[in-house]
This record gives sequence, C-alpha cells and structure tokens, in this order.
Amino acid sequence: GAVVSQHPSRVICKSGTSVKIECRSLDFQATTMFWYRQFPKQSLMLMATSNEGSKATYEQGVEKDKFLINHASLTLSTLTVTSAHPEDSSFYICSAAGTGVIETQYFGPGTRLLVL
Amino acid sequence: QKEVEQNSGPLSVPEGAIASLNCTYSDRGSQSFFWYRQYSGKSPELIMSIYSNGDKEDGRFTAQLNKASQYVSLLIRDSQPSDSATYLCAVNILSSNYKLTFGKGTLLTVNP
Repeated sequence: GAVVSQHPSRVICKSGTSVKIECRSLDFQATTMFWYRQFPKQSLMLMATSNEGSKATYEQGVEKDKFLINHASLTLSTLTVTSAHPEDSSFYICSAAGTGVIETQYFGPGTRLLVL
Repeated sequence: QKEVEQNSGPLSVPEGAIASLNCTYSDRGSQSFFWYRQYSGKSPELIMSIYSNGDKEDGRFTAQLNKASQYVSLLIRDSQPSDSATYLCAVNILSSNYKLTFGKGTLLTVNP
C-alpha cells in the first residue's frame, strides 16, 4: 500500500517553455502533498506544501509564480514549472501524506527535468 | 530553528557487519520519526517509522528512539552491498501538518 506515482519520469524541454508534472496517490487519499527539488549530491529541498482544495504554502525563496501547484483532488497534485530555464534543471520529487497513513510521507519516483 | 543532525559520513562497513546510523533533533515537540533510504538517482523510500521510546524491529532493521536524549538511530544487521545508499533521518512535529524536517543524510557503503 501507500503508492505514489509521478509522471513524466523524465522530461527535456527548451528554455522558456512550461512543464507540468503530475503526482498521484494510487491507493490512499492524500490530504497533503509536498514538492521537493534535489540537485546532484545535495539534500532534498522542500519547495511547497499543498492541501487539497486550498492554495499551496511555499517555502522561503521559492517563487510561487514560477512553480505553480494545484491540488485539485485527494489523489492528484500538479507542479507546473513556468518559463523554465537551464537553472531549473533538477530532480523534482513529490510526496503524499494523509488519511490512514498516520503522518507518514510516501515519495513518488521523481521527475528528472532537463531544460536546454 | 528546528534542526535534524546526522553523523557525517560516509560510513563504510564490511558485508555482514552491523551498520549504525545516528540522528539527533532539536525540537522537543517532535512526535514522529522516520528513516528513509535513497539510492543514487532515485527518490527516498520509507524504511522505518517510530513514535514511542524504545526499539522497533523490522527484519534486519532496528530503529531506536530516546526522546529524553532527542536521539534516534537505525541499526542494520547483516549488512548487504544492496544496503549501500544514503539514509535520511526525518522528524515531524504534531502541529506541522505532516511536514518533515530532514537531516542531510549519511552515505553508507557496504563492502563485499
């Protein structure tokens, strides 16, 4: 149980375009989803916390207009990287927590973004 | 500032040995404690969760929690090369809406 999926697993895009990443909880209802970013050989960095039906809470230094988060249902959250630039190239990982999983975050497999 | 500290790695152990990973946390309001394993290039995978003082065993893994000392550890018995990964300690406080504070991780290498 407690499976989280992400799509796509890997994406390459041109600078200036927007990229949408989906995060789904497959077998539980995720009241809260988190988006992280991880650069090579560095720690996980929390970008934002999203609760179903409400606006996301962004961490300090994360541009909310650049990283758009939508948590429209209890099983789906999306992260859109708008006007992506090469410095946005990173490993984006979502996690989900919620009903029945007692405060535990379960991570998706991650999305590797490369902006050319 | 809420902090989670892990012993600096890398930690290298021979195959079959016990690997001991340590973590301390600063917030006494911390309620839940987790160990995640992260292989290179992959996302974190939950290994253990622990909520009460004492030991919790799951297969070759034992988590130990001491809230008075603000200390949580992970023991891996009969270490295997496949255990080689970065181990992340994570802590949650009751009022944080499931938000976790992560340590920087300890890189474990198990040598055949």
